[in-house]
Amino acid sequence: DIVMTQSPLSLPVTPGEPASISCRSSQSLLHSNGNNYMDWYLQKPGQSPQLLIFLGSNRASGVPDRISGSGSGTDFTLKISRVEAEDVGVYYCIQTLQTPLTFGGGTKVEIK
Amino acid sequence: QVQLVQSGAEVKKPGASVKVSCKASGYSFRSYGITWVRQAPGQGLEWMGWINVYNGDTTYARKLQGRVTMTTDTSTNTAYMDLGRLTSDDTAMYYCARYGVPSKYFDLWGRGTLVTVSS
Repeated sequence: DIVMTQSPLSLPVTPGEPASISCRSSQSLLHSNGNNYMDWYLQKPGQSPQLLIFLGSNRASGVPDRISGSGSGTDFTLKISRVEAEDVGVYYCIQTLQTPLTFGGGTKVEIK
Repeated sequence: QVQLVQSGAEVKKPGASVKVSCKASGYSFRSYGITWVRQAPGQGLEWMGWINVYNGDTTYARKLQGRVTMTTDTSTNTAYMDLGRLTSDDTAMYYCARYGVPSKYFDLWGRGTLVTVSS
């Protein structure tokens, strides 16, 4: 199974400041079609997860452009250029290259 | 309105089975797949498996094989997840979500169904 490792586990952030979350996979997620099969989700407190970034770097509908995803192969990063209060929650990466699909352990983002 | 509406909370005894439903509306049900993800209290997300609504193909997480069955009823646009031989470790929030082929990302989620296993 592909292991997804996120860091940090917890990320206290100051509103208006940038934030970055890392996700590393135990195997390359780059498919021969050129897509990286890795997505990012945010689970806000008391809510279902919501899609933020798909296929490594594509912003989902309605996601503000201050949130971006980058990376390829085994190393991926989610960046928030200017953190806002609504960004609080737990961020998860997931690989969808092969079954079983596997999630990272999550990164809890909270306001300082 | 594009949504997935899940059935209500369940309390089950160890050894019993639970069947959770997920009713889709507002989109072409057969054009997407349905996946199931669960979350134990205070824990992270765990992928359980998925079903291709168009052809009924399923793939289950290895640890759940033999205990889980995912089905759909295209006449009512409803997906079902049946989990048997429940133990306390199955106490969790169960989510259904829609995924596209071949992109496989989950762009629409249900609100979750809490299943509690307790004697």
